[in-house]
Amino acid sequence: SAVISQKPSRDICQRGTSLTIQCQVDSQVTMMFWYRQQPGQSLTLIATANQGSEATYESGFVIDKFPISRPNLTFSTLTVSNMSPEDSSIYLCSVGGGAYGYTFGSGTRLTVV
Amino acid sequence: DAKTTQPPSMDCAEGRAANLPCNHSTISGNEYVYWYRQIHSQGPQYIIHGLKNNETNEMASLIITEDRKSSTLILPHATLRDTAVYYCIVRPPETSGSRLTFGEGTQLTVNP
Repeated sequence: SAVISQKPSRDICQRGTSLTIQCQVDSQVTMMFWYRQQPGQSLTLIATANQGSEATYESGFVIDKFPISRPNLTFSTLTVSNMSPEDSSIYLCSVGGGAYGYTFGSGTRLTVV
Repeated sequence: DAKTTQPPSMDCAEGRAANLPCNHSTISGNEYVYWYRQIHSQGPQYIIHGLKNNETNEMASLIITEDRKSSTLILPHATLRDTAVYYCIVRPPETSGSRLTFGEGTQLTVNP
């Protein structure tokens, strides 16, 4: 299965600023997925990122708030823009799948103060 | 994707089998049952999946009822490191455009 490197692992940010999270995969993948996990909650899909096209966002998530880049088949970034304390969450990237299911990055724990 | 129902929490003694149930009464004929777990502060980890036959791998066994409306994940000899949230997910077969929809899962606590 794929190996994902996600950076940063954690950060504390001031409200009103932006943070870009990077996800590097050790093999080429068609789709990459970005999830948010709010404190004590399950995972919620933010968007699906295709290489060479705009990301597809789930209901409740918009591109202005969570712009995504997918410059090639092994890399993607998620930016959390104009942050507020409500954005404090764990953000995870994921790729699928085949016989071993989906692989997740180790997550970025974001705290907005 | 079909909806799943899991108990919010379970306890298990170390060394004993942990049996985690999942109800998926609206499962469609082409949907698989997937199990993932999330150990605190880590990304979810794939455990096992199946369609209608029972499956076993080095981590766990998956028992799916004949009518496919429910399943049980079995950890045969639970250890403290198996303490995690376990998610049962029902979805079509792996395709490049598909994604996982997570429910609330079951918090399994393995006690010494």
